[in-house]
Amino acid sequence: AQTVTQSQPEMSVQEAETVTLSCTYDTSESDYYLFWYKQPPSRQMILVIRQEAYKQQNATENRFSVNFQKAAKSFSLKISDSQLGDAAMYFCAYRSNNAGKSTFGDGTTLTVKP
Amino acid sequence: EAQVTQNPRYLITVTGKKLTVTCSQNMNHEYMSWYRQDPGLGLRQIYYSMNVEVTDKGDVPEGYKVSRKEKRNFPLILESPSPNQTSLYFCASSLSSGVYNEQFFGPGTRLTVL
Repeated sequence: AQTVTQSQPEMSVQEAETVTLSCTYDTSESDYYLFWYKQPPSRQMILVIRQEAYKQQNATENRFSVNFQKAAKSFSLKISDSQLGDAAMYFCAYRSNNAGKSTFGDGTTLTVKP
Repeated sequence: EAQVTQNPRYLITVTGKKLTVTCSQNMNHEYMSWYRQDPGLGLRQIYYSMNVEVTDKGDVPEGYKVSRKEKRNFPLILESPSPNQTSLYFCASSLSSGVYNEQFFGPGTRLTVL
């Protein structure tokens, strides 16, 4: 079974600064996807970024980018130029090659200080 | 508007009283799934459905039932709810079971079992 670990329950960042959220996972599969979801206080789950396991190039979406280290099974999220609206809980998620199953980390609560 | 809807959004019930949480999507998605979210535990998958009449267990299926009789609906049934099923529940759907497809989440259902 796959596991996803987010070792930082809470993080904080100053507005306009950069922050990195960590995620590690464990799997024996070679074909999978990794995702970062954002959950603001409204509780809505919003996709931030995704990464294909067979792609070496790190995904980027505007101010959000990932550092994907397949051998190390690491998938960190970097948020540049942090904004107050980035304050939320962030979940790292793994979607199996048997794509029915998805595994989420426990989440990291990000606080953005003005 | 493309969306996943859940009803009810909030529910307080008593132990043993059968209940159903409905989930419906209007995007013609093949794949649907249910998750529960508890503090410090992230999202845990309860059941998923790759297509009509095809359902399978996730990581925490005990005490829950599902059915997928039509493509758009995927109700979650608690035959005899217990207090340990007090949680925030999310329904999600994606275009297909392919790993590339992001999951679209409903707004969540806050269930309290007394």
